[in-house]
Amino acid sequence: SQQGEEDPQALSIQEGENATMNCSYKTSINNLQWYRQNSGRGLVHLILIRSNEREKHSGRLRVTLDTSKKSSSLLITASRAADTASYFCATDESGSGGGNKLTFGTGTQLKVEL
Amino acid sequence: DAGVTQSPTHLIKTRGQHVTLRCSPISGHKSVSWYQQVLGQGPQFIFQYYEKEERGRGNFPDRFSARQFPNYSSELNVNALLLGDSALYLCASSTTSGGPGRAQYFGPGTRLTVT
Repeated sequence: SQQGEEDPQALSIQEGENATMNCSYKTSINNLQWYRQNSGRGLVHLILIRSNEREKHSGRLRVTLDTSKKSSSLLITASRAADTASYFCATDESGSGGGNKLTFGTGTQLKVEL
Repeated sequence: DAGVTQSPTHLIKTRGQHVTLRCSPISGHKSVSWYQQVLGQGPQFIFQYYEKEERGRGNFPDRFSARQFPNYSSELNVNALLLGDSALYLCASSTTSGGPGRAQYFGPGTRLTVT
């Protein structure tokens, strides 16, 4: 089952603009991760934010985490056409066997137009 | 450095058959996880293995099984294939299992089509 929802489901912006995607989840987490997927291929890890962190930056990416609201946001600044992809948030939860499992949201399809 | 590799890239099977998918993790990574991604949805967790032991299992029927070898590579087996098993199967590796968690690095996936 999906952990939560991403919002919006689809986003279309012009190159140079900022893109913001939101993610909500339901259970306690170890960390939250954001991934990018191009055209149904493998997922690329973008950034990980731990449950005790509130904000993290990596290049043009900024992620926030609000554990009280069980939500996260991903901001991509100065977007480029190459950023066109599907973006997924995934919560890392402790599994019953002592391991970790990622539970993914439904994804946001981002299209950056020239 | 080589990333996570998966084989085969594409596979077409008939209902009732079985399939074996293979994954080699990033060098030094001891944890391998498997995910199923149906078109239009996010990936769903199937299994995690660490040091050859199962560390987690998702909500999938017993037709799905997996194992990890001493070199940390892994196989996912699916028996008695159904049309609904058609999906992209993703393998991910990580350095550890348990605790606060680590980033997982995904392979390109195996596209399975069941006819």
